[in-house]
Amino acid sequence: NAGVTQTPKFQVLKTGQSMTLQCAQDMNHEYMSWYRQDPGMGLRLIHYSVGAGITDQGEVPNGYNVSRSTTEDFPLRLLSAAPSQTSVYFCASSYSSGSGYGYTFGSGTRLTVV
Amino acid sequence: QKEVEQDPGPLSVPEGAIVSLNCTYSNSAFQYFMWYRQYSRKGPELLMYTYSSGNKEDGRFTAQVDKSSKYISLFIRDSQPSDSATYLCAMSAMSGGGADGLTFGKGTHLIIQP
Repeated sequence: NAGVTQTPKFQVLKTGQSMTLQCAQDMNHEYMSWYRQDPGMGLRLIHYSVGAGITDQGEVPNGYNVSRSTTEDFPLRLLSAAPSQTSVYFCASSYSSGSGYGYTFGSGTRLTVV
Repeated sequence: QKEVEQDPGPLSVPEGAIVSLNCTYSNSAFQYFMWYRQYSRKGPELLMYTYSSGNKEDGRFTAQVDKSSKYISLFIRDSQPSDSATYLCAMSAMSGGGADGLTFGKGTHLIIQP
């Protein structure tokens, strides 16, 4: 099992460009989420999804869109990149049930906006 | 005041020492508490997961939650140089973070000196 796969690993964008960060999980988890990590700020929630077709905003959603058409995929779209969006982006998938708990992060996408 | 407070360190201790890492929080709705370990340029890795107050032990790691004081701790016994990493506390109100996302502390940078 690959777990949570994020692509690309690195990306440089010019201000105003748009792009999509890809996230795929093969664990059949119902929940998926996106976080950004900035120096001295910890991880902050951007958007999350409790199942296919259902998404909601987190703490810092402005400038980002998400959709979830399948259980496996949860892409994050930057609409018009700004230097303030320079960060490391992590996707995660999770489950919680009587049989246990799991919250798995991908390896991250390092984005620089110039 | 941020919802979750965590001393960023760095915290430097000699090999074999007992390490104590702590977080305080303000949101009384939090019921699920986690500790993550993050190595440089990697995604966070789940170490411990606890629900409500109490202690949980897993090998050299012990997690404690005191909801009355809004205080959580992670203890590492017989610390090893391989434990050198950033330790992040995280918490949520619903289903371990799947249905509402996780709120993270800023992380504590731990250094174990050989």
